[in-house]
Order: sequence, then structure tokens, then C-alpha cells
Amino acid sequence: GQQLNQSPQSMFIQEGEDVSMNCTSSSIFNTWLWYKQDPGEGPVLLIALYKAGELTSNGRLTAQFGITRKDSFLNISASIPSDVGIYFCAGISYNTDKLIFGTGTRLQVFP
Amino acid sequence: DSGVTQTPKHLITATGQRVTLRCSPRSGDLSVYWYQQSLDQGLQFLIQYYNGEERAKGNILERFSAQQFPDLHSELNLSSLELGDSALYFCASSAGGLDGYTFGSGTRLTVV
Repeated sequence: GQQLNQSPQSMFIQEGEDVSMNCTSSSIFNTWLWYKQDPGEGPVLLIALYKAGELTSNGRLTAQFGITRKDSFLNISASIPSDVGIYFCAGISYNTDKLIFGTGTRLQVFP
Repeated sequence: DSGVTQTPKHLITATGQRVTLRCSPRSGDLSVYWYQQSLDQGLQFLIQYYNGEERAKGNILERFSAQQFPDLHSELNLSSLELGDSALYFCASSAGGLDGYTFGSGTRLTVV
């Protein structure tokens, strides 16, 4: 099925470091969403973006909706151990409510 | 608690068997989506129901089927199970629009 390209595939960082991941698509999306999945749990919505160029923060998380509407990035500042998990981007196309998910970025944080 | 309830949480069954996974959506949500997540893989969309009717189909095998009942809960039926069907199965619900989906905590299916 259709998926968004997400990079990097995995990251191993030290506690306190900043993290950046991005998502690209060949299609235009009207909405970009970022989810986090803890081990053995369902994905939980972190941030939603609705306008091209929009920059939105949620605590230590910042996400941007790319100007071309074909990409988005997520930054996590000052990482902590509980940031461990899989981060998924997701896009919604115009005139549909179907979410297309990225391939995921697996984040490991070492103390 | 996300408001989306999935049962059972774990299921172990033998090859060739049939199982039913159940999902109760968040109150007020009319859409239900089913996803499959194999080990270390992404989320593969299986099927969507909206207010009792099938709305979209993804990579769902013919051995799998789903339905949404008048009370809006949904069931995913998996039959003639194979070892490769072992995965996490997630249900999500939404009210429509651009607010994304709310996911349940999943059912882990192990086929032995």
C-alpha cells in the first residue's frame, strides 16, 4: 500500500540530545500528523498540522508542515528516556479522511 | 485510556483456525479503521467502515473480513490463519475530517 518515506529509520541518541526526523511524499497532503507508539501500545497523536508552512509546538516537540505540502519534520529537544518509541508521520489528502502512514522512525535514548 | 477499546488484548491460536477481533470506537465516532502491524513493520491499512458501511479497502486478504454493527462496534474476522498472520492488529476511530484517528491498544495475535 501507499506509504510515506520517513527518515531516519532508527536513531540511537544520548539523553539530552536533540532529535530531528522527517517525512516526504510524492503526493500533496492537506494535513500532516505525528504519532508516537510506545512498545506494545497503539499510536498516540502528538501534533497535527493543517496549513502549509505551519510550525507547531507541543512541549519539547516541534513540527512543521512543509511549504510544498509534500513533507513535514518533527524535532524533539532535550530528549529523555521516555521519548523511546516509534514515531510515525501521517498525511491526509484533500477530500478524504484516510490516513497514510510513514514507515516510522525508531528512537532509542540512552542515559 | 484513548476511548477506543479492543478485545482481546492477546490471542494465541493454531494455523488453520478462525478468530474474531473486536473494537468499540470512541463515543461519537462513526468511522472505524483496522490496521495490521507485523514485527518491526509499519502500519498497514486493512479496511474502513463508516456508520455500518464499508468505505475503503486496503491490503486486506480474502481470508479476512470485517463488519460494523448498528451500535458502531466493529469486528475483524481472520480465517484459515497462517503463521504470517501473527501481528498486532489495531483499530482506530475518527469523527471524520482532518483530526486524525484515535487508536486502541491493539490485539496481539500469535499463530502457532
